[in-house]
Amino acid sequence: AQSVAQPEDQVNVAEGNPLTVKCTYSVSGNPYLFWYVQYPNRGLQFLLKYITGDNLVKGSYGFEAEFNKSQTSFHLKKPSALVSDSALYFCAVRDEGGGSYIPTFGRGTSLIVHP
Amino acid sequence: DAGVTQSPTHLIKTRGQHVTLRCSPISGHKSVSWYQQVLGQGPQFIFQYYEKEERGRGNFPDRFSARQFPNYSSELNVNALLLGDSALYLCASSTLPPGQGRNNEQFFGPGTRLTVL
Repeated sequence: AQSVAQPEDQVNVAEGNPLTVKCTYSVSGNPYLFWYVQYPNRGLQFLLKYITGDNLVKGSYGFEAEFNKSQTSFHLKKPSALVSDSALYFCAVRDEGGGSYIPTFGRGTSLIVHP
Repeated sequence: DAGVTQSPTHLIKTRGQHVTLRCSPISGHKSVSWYQQVLGQGPQFIFQYYEKEERGRGNFPDRFSARQFPNYSSELNVNALLLGDSALYLCASSTLPPGQGRNNEQFFGPGTRLTVL
């Protein structure tokens, strides 16, 4: 079985400050990890993914994520938050070790960036 | 370029009714997946179709069905609607079925907001 946990329902950060949105995962094989963002009344937009290689993955809009195998985490980060980053963020995992090819999504974390 | 499109945008139904949701994938994409996103939750996988064949089914009752047409568009049908079916229904398309290819991202549509009264 595969699962994803996003322990924070909401993250608040001031504009210009660094932000972190946390994600931990559980898979039986090797993980493929994804971050998506959802703006109000919009579908999910792909931000970045980890498949293999460098543990630090760079994605769209200045976001990056760090894969940590020992802590089974894939936290989303940005050095300087913008008000326009305020949205709902979803972490997802897919097991490439013979498990389901269907991604499992976390519950989502609401990011609020204050001016 | 047009992304994934879904219709209708919003829909209100009453319990026991039937609903059909539609999805048009990105041009050239042959795989369509359907997800249900209940308020406060992440998307839950319902179905996946590739080349008009069902390739995957999530843990949903038989009231949920889908199909894919020769032009790769897709319909999701839900019979005997329950209050708990109220959700945002997302369609996603990709070039290959999920699980194939390392750069086979899914692109999501804006969703159909279904409200069951």
